Amino acid sequence: QKEVEQDPGPLSVPEGAIVSLNCTYSNSAFQYFMWYRQYSRKGPELLMYTYSSGNKEDGRFTAQVDKSSKYISLFIRDSQPSDSATYLCAVSGNTPLVFGKGTRLSVIA
Amino acid sequence: SAVISQKPSRDICQRGTSLTIQCQVDSQVTMMFWYRQQPGQSLTLIATANQGSEATYESGFVIDKFPISRPNLTFSTLTVSNLSPEDSSIYLCSVRQGAPPYGYTFGSGTRLTVV
Repeated sequence: QKEVEQDPGPLSVPEGAIVSLNCTYSNSAFQYFMWYRQYSRKGPELLMYTYSSGNKEDGRFTAQVDKSSKYISLFIRDSQPSDSATYLCAVSGNTPLVFGKGTRLSVIA
Repeated sequence: SAVISQKPSRDICQRGTSLTIQCQVDSQVTMMFWYRQQPGQSLTLIATANQGSEATYESGFVIDKFPISRPNLTFSTLTVSNLSPEDSSIYLCSVRQGAPPYGYTFGSGTRLTVV
């Protein structure tokens, strides 16, 4: 079993839709949970991080962690064409980051 | 957060040759990492570049194939040796700063195509 599982998509939604991106992880030792956004021909950039179960909001973005089920989610409200990118979940503990495969999102105007 | 300059941004290389990728950071950082991102795959950690000592390689990656230098706290190179088409991938350097959960910053990546 891979340490982090993420559906690679692709996912295509109309502008204004709510987007839900999800990952599962296998190792309960992971303490930190992150979402990175990667535009084409760019390196990943940190979007949000959290380290406790529950929700964390930042503008149109909400990160959610459920440690009991080892499930992490990213919700994007009122999605915009500029949100079109690959979204990677990442987890870490006392180790370097472990990434999911990334979900390619297209928001269609 | 740190700003990373990674060069080259892309290259096309003949099989059997080598490519050296440079990563320059605008501030001193202790932890630097090299990742590989193959098409449709997640970022896979190749090694941690340690300043003043040999790099620490992850399972499946060896120094002979991926020699790494880290002469100071702002610079590192990754060489991909004896290239084969299977090495075609994006290679990224990353730095870690601060306290847990740490801030990880990535370079823009080097897109390598081996022909």
